[in-house]
Amino acid sequence: QVQLQESGPGLVKPSETLSLTCAVSGYSITSDYYGAWIRQPPGKALEWIASVYHTGRTYYKPSLKSRATISVDPSKNEFSLNLTSVTAADTAVYYCAREMASSADYWGRGILVTVSS
Amino acid sequence: QSALTQPPSASGSPGQSVTISCTGTSSDVGTYKYVSWYQQHPGKAPKLMIYEVNKRPSGVPDRFSGSKSGNTASLTVSGLQADDEADYYCSSHAITTNAFVLFGGGTKVTVL
Repeated sequence: QVQLQESGPGLVKPSETLSLTCAVSGYSITSDYYGAWIRQPPGKALEWIASVYHTGRTYYKPSLKSRATISVDPSKNEFSLNLTSVTAADTAVYYCAREMASSADYWGRGILVTVSS
Repeated sequence: QSALTQPPSASGSPGQSVTISCTGTSSDVGTYKYVSWYQQHPGKAPKLMIYEVNKRPSGVPDRFSGSKSGNTASLTVSGLQADDEADYYCSSHAITTNAFVLFGGGTKVTVL
């Protein structure tokens, strides 16, 4: 069955870079789906961050584009997110998801990332 | 790029129907058929309930239906059940200078 699993540090210091990886199983990342990162600050709404296709094509939320980089590694069946210059406002549960036509049909469980010194 | 506008809360008694609106602009909901709805229970990952305005993924009951008129999309939950109590989020494909996905602010549905 389709599964996605986020991994990465749960604590990041302000001004540093947040790095997360999503391991995909149950389908090939080279199939006709995008990989997406979506986050949710505690008690707040979902926020889509970025998506990547296996060819390397990417698209980003405009307000995060200057700090976010999404990438894909088809050989490992995984995709990743880097978010630079983090602040407390970046504290959130980060989800990875499988996406097609702007719709996310499978989600990981999410990983809480806290930005604090 | 502002979030899509949803009412913060909605409620209904078991067996009744509740409809949630999701208002965007001509740069997102008004132009594209790529409107989705997600259900999220506390502490859980969101679950896709509706995609492309009115299509249901396999396994989603037909009590959940979606529609769109102009810049506003809607989700209707008929025959409310206790387990329908959750947060619901809409999303839409959007374009400014580049394409991206926009979420709504979420609606808490309470089953009375």
